[in-house]
Amino acid sequence: EAQVTQNPRYLITVTGKKLTVTCSQNMNHEYMSWYRQDPGLGLRQIYYSMNVEVTDKGDVPEGYKVSRKEKRNFPLILESPSPNQTSLYFCASSPQSGNQPQHFGDGTRLSIL
Amino acid sequence: QKEVEQNSGPLSVPEGAIASLNCTYSDRVSQSFFWYRQYSGKSPELIMSIYSNGDKEDGRFTAQLNKASQYVSLLIRDSQPSDSATYLCATVGFQKLVFGTGTRLLVSP
Repeated sequence: EAQVTQNPRYLITVTGKKLTVTCSQNMNHEYMSWYRQDPGLGLRQIYYSMNVEVTDKGDVPEGYKVSRKEKRNFPLILESPSPNQTSLYFCASSPQSGNQPQHFGDGTRLSIL
Repeated sequence: QKEVEQNSGPLSVPEGAIASLNCTYSDRVSQSFFWYRQYSGKSPELIMSIYSNGDKEDGRFTAQLNKASQYVSLLIRDSQPSDSATYLCATVGFQKLVFGTGTRLLVSP
């Protein structure tokens, strides 16, 4: 089954404790992206990747890092999480670029206390 | 920055009625538009794509695009309670999708 898998699905943690949200897709897609969704603000792009070792900032990259060492994986790293990063996070992928329909993972709900 | 505007709703319709969801966008050069459905706490699911002026039908769903007026709409015929969800309109930006904040649809039995 074609899918984008995120882990964990839910996480409650404390300010300053480094965390990583993993994202993996099995569709051999070149493009992957991270979005956060907040009430009233909609979905906003954090980072994206066009291919292995190619990443770039989206609209709200502050406080986040990403890496793309393998085509299938695109982890989101919060080095020192803060309460304003409490949100619902989605990883997405598409065959070649961000200008195509994207397939979303199931989401990760992060609460930073 | 491209913007996509949607009425947040909720839009309430009775079962069996036609639900009409609307979206306007600010960038005249936008070419591609998508409708995603998102159930509460779940991920967005692509339900329609439209790239040219006019109507595109897929089952109970019809997407309409009017580039001159810069609006996109989604019609859901024979609405069912299972259609109750938030519907997100999106267009393409630079290597990303630009989303509206969504319209919540409630279909009552």
